Amino acid sequence: GAGVSQSPSNKVTEKGKDVELRCDPISGHTALYWYRQSLGQGLEFLIYFQGNSAPDKSGLPSDRFSAERTGGSVSTLTIQRTQQEDSAVYLCASRGTGGDSYEQYFGPGTRLTVT
Amino acid sequence: GQNIDQPTEMTATEGAIVQINCTYQTSGFNGLFWYQQHAGEAPTFLSYNVLDGLEEKGRFSSFLSRSKGYSYLLLKELQMKDSASYLCAHQDRGYQKVTFGTGTKLQVIP
Repeated sequence: GAGVSQSPSNKVTEKGKDVELRCDPISGHTALYWYRQSLGQGLEFLIYFQGNSAPDKSGLPSDRFSAERTGGSVSTLTIQRTQQEDSAVYLCASRGTGGDSYEQYFGPGTRLTVT
Repeated sequence: GQNIDQPTEMTATEGAIVQINCTYQTSGFNGLFWYQQHAGEAPTFLSYNVLDGLEEKGRFSSFLSRSKGYSYLLLKELQMKDSASYLCAHQDRGYQKVTFGTGTKLQVIP
């Protein structure tokens, strides 16, 4: 019955390394979003999953970024060959279905620092 | 968000009323959101407007005018804990992507 969870909460990595960020949505929520938020900035849309449909990848900033959602539940955001400009908080949100299910529930985020 | 405009910062006095405006340019959308985000925390949902008009929820109210491409969040009886960023966002038709503005940082002072 918990909310959206994300792991790790903090990640420090060296430039050029790959990282994987995990999101566990609320059980039963079919929609899952990834956002990126740089310090003092708004939320930048990255990718959106809805059920078994093809994801909307229109927000991914480069081909170093990819995301998967296995079994319609857990999602992993992978950043390859990390760069310093990738440093940000990565937020995941999930949403239920139905006519009145419009609210996104956000996880606590993963703070990524690339050194 | 490239097509959502909000003031960057605002300051208001405890107990007062403040209105945070949001203008947007989009060809069509399902509804317009307002989220609150305290520093270092995830955003939390405040309101969702589908129809034109004012929706009131306690001390917070949200207004939408589709014809004018305009929304505002009204906060009454401001409290110190209302100091936060307020994010305006619209949800594309078909319940797809949600586009956020850069947010308005509100500081409530005694």
